[in-house]
Amino acid sequence: AQSVTQLGSHVSVSEGALVLLRCNYSSSVPPYLFWYVQYPNQGLQLLLKYTSAATLVKGINGFEAEFKKSETSFHLTKPSAHMSDAAEYFCAVSDRGAGTASKLTFGTGTRLQVTL
Amino acid sequence: SQTIHQWPATLVQPVGSPLSLECTVEGTSNPNLYWYRQAAGRGLQLLFYSVGIGQISSEVPQNLSASRPQDRQFILSSKKLLLSDSGFYLCAWSTIRGMSAFFGQGTRLTVV
Repeated sequence: AQSVTQLGSHVSVSEGALVLLRCNYSSSVPPYLFWYVQYPNQGLQLLLKYTSAATLVKGINGFEAEFKKSETSFHLTKPSAHMSDAAEYFCAVSDRGAGTASKLTFGTGTRLQVTL
Repeated sequence: SQTIHQWPATLVQPVGSPLSLECTVEGTSNPNLYWYRQAAGRGLQLLFYSVGIGQISSEVPQNLSASRPQDRQFILSSKKLLLSDSGFYLCAWSTIRGMSAFFGQGTRLTVV
């Protein structure tokens, strides 16, 4: 069984500061890993994904994440926060179902607040 | 390009009433389809997934059911809603290999 743990349900940063959202995973097979962003009352938008290519993955809106197998981590970072980054962020792991639906298991989310 | 449509955006229903939420995908064939529920302050829970017409797998026992009458149509239903069915329901699709899942805009269901 797979699982994802997001440390910190709420993170607050100042505008222009580094954003670091933590995600640790548990998987019995090499995982696919994802970060999604959700704005209020909207669906989830894919920020980036790791699918066993480069361990440093660049996504949209200046975000990136690094897959670290030794630490079972996939933390999301952005060098400089912008007010528009305020949202809820979800880390997810896929079971890589071969020929069947690949089901995503989500973390409980981290709400990012950006202050002036 | 592929798009996913989900409606209605919001819904308020009395306890004991039926439910039907619809999701359609355009621009792709034979997608995998999913229904997730997001309860207040919690993550997303996979409710159902489908790999083809008429093929539905349930992840958790509950008061809801799903159907896939057409390749790109996925319906979430209930015969009698419970208060605990309130939440934010999200439809998603992925390719067969499932390397990414793309989500609809969600339906906010409030059962009163």
